[in-house]
Amino acid sequence: EADIYQTPRYLVIGTGKKITLECSQTMGHDKMYWYQQDPGMELHLIHYSYGVNSTEKGDLSSESTVSRIRTEHFPLTLESARPSHTSQYLCASRGQPNQPQHFGDGTRLSIL
Amino acid sequence: ELKVEQNPLFLSMQEGKNYTIYCNYSTTSDRLYWYRQDPGKSLESLFVLLSNGAVKQEGRLMASLDTKARLSTLHITAAVHDLSATYFCAVMNYGGSQGNLIFGKGTKLSVKP
Repeated sequence: EADIYQTPRYLVIGTGKKITLECSQTMGHDKMYWYQQDPGMELHLIHYSYGVNSTEKGDLSSESTVSRIRTEHFPLTLESARPSHTSQYLCASRGQPNQPQHFGDGTRLSIL
Repeated sequence: ELKVEQNPLFLSMQEGKNYTIYCNYSTTSDRLYWYRQDPGKSLESLFVLLSNGAVKQEGRLMASLDTKARLSTLHITAAVHDLSATYFCAVMNYGGSQGNLIFGKGTKLSVKP
C-alpha cells in the first residue's frame, strides 16, 4: 500500500486568497507529480519534480508554483486563488522506473 | 506530441457479459499503465505493461500491450457490479516532458444487474 498523503481533502475558499496544498510521501520516492483533474475528466500534469531542488512545469499551464526542499514533501501554492482554479488536485510519486505512480487521495478545491 | 485515445468513453454493460476497452497512442512508447478511479476517489494502479506482447491478469480483468500497433486493451470477463468505475490508461512519454505519463480521457464503466 502506497503511503502518500494530501491535505486538506476539501477546501472552499474565497477569491484572492493564498492557498497551499500539501503532499507528503514516506516511501523515499525521488519523483513526484501534481495533476489537475476536473470531475470525470482526464488528468493533466501541472508540475513535477525529479528530486530535491528540482521542479518543472508540466503540460498544462498553471498559475500555481511548487517547491521541493525535502524528498518527502512537495507542496503546491496558489498565490491568489480564482474561480477558474476550482478543480481536484492529485499528487503522485514514483520510485523505480518500472513501477507505477502512486496517487494520494486528492484535494477538492472550490474557489468562490 | 504523444496523444492517448481511449474508447469507448462510456460503457454500460450487463453483469455476466464480456467487453474490451481500447487504448491507442500516437508515438512510440514501451510502457503503459492502467488505473481505476471510483467516484470521488483517487487513482488505483491496476496493471503495468512494460514490453511488446505483455499480458497481465487480475481477477476478471486482463490487460495486454502491442507496441507495434500502439494499442493496449483491457478485457473484462463476466462483469460484476463491483467493476463499475472509470478506467484510465496512461502512456510513458519519451518526448517533451520526458519520463512523465500522458493519460487518456478515461472510460466510465457502469455494470448493471
